[in-house]
Amino acid sequence: QVQLQESGPGLVKPSGTLSLTCAVSRGSISSDNWWSWIRQPPGKGLEWIGEIYHSGSTKYNPSLKSRVTISIDKSKNQFSLNLSSVTAADTAVYYCARAPVGTTLWPFDYWGQGTLVTVSS
Amino acid sequence: EIVLTQSPGTLSLSPGERATLSCRASQSVSSSYLAWYQQKPGQAPRLLIYGASSRVTGIPDRFSGSGSGTDFTLTISRLEPEDFAVYYCQQYGSSRTFGQGTKVEIK
Repeated sequence: QVQLQESGPGLVKPSGTLSLTCAVSRGSISSDNWWSWIRQPPGKGLEWIGEIYHSGSTKYNPSLKSRVTISIDKSKNQFSLNLSSVTAADTAVYYCARAPVGTTLWPFDYWGQGTLVTVSS
Repeated sequence: EIVLTQSPGTLSLSPGERATLSCRASQSVSSSYLAWYQQKPGQAPRLLIYGASSRVTGIPDRFSGSGSGTDFTLTISRLEPEDFAVYYCQQYGSSRTFGQGTKVEIK
């Protein structure tokens, strides 16, 4: 079964850039999947941030689009999230996840364990 | 953007009881691209149902999904102790959005 593992700084200063990486193991990032980022503020619900396909095609949540960049590194079998101009409202557990691509659409079937990022000076 | 509204916010039930969770969309969800996830404290969400009513392999048959258009339901026929958790609906037919969640707690 595919495994996803988030990594990155747990603390980011306000106005800085949050950068996370999701390493994919037991599967190829070049397979037919959308590779996504989702976040969850403490005690709150889930928010989809955006996703990338191995071709480099991306889709973003309109509410975050101006601050988000998702990229892919096929040589390292990983993808990354950059979120700029962060504030305390961006404090959350950040998850990476996979959504298969096929003749129909699919939801997220595999998730990473999540990583808490706190925005604070 | 399709907004999903889940109700109730909290459901207080006893083991063995039936749980009925609702998810209403602000506009029709195309081709019933509606999923349900279960999340326990400190864990990532787990996919239970996709396509509004198809159960993921390995998910007990006490979990069932139904609905179409704008109204969807997750039913847990007889609650087991491990079912007490937060449940989220998600539509994936037009971008991706989540409901705010329903907490199923022990009464």
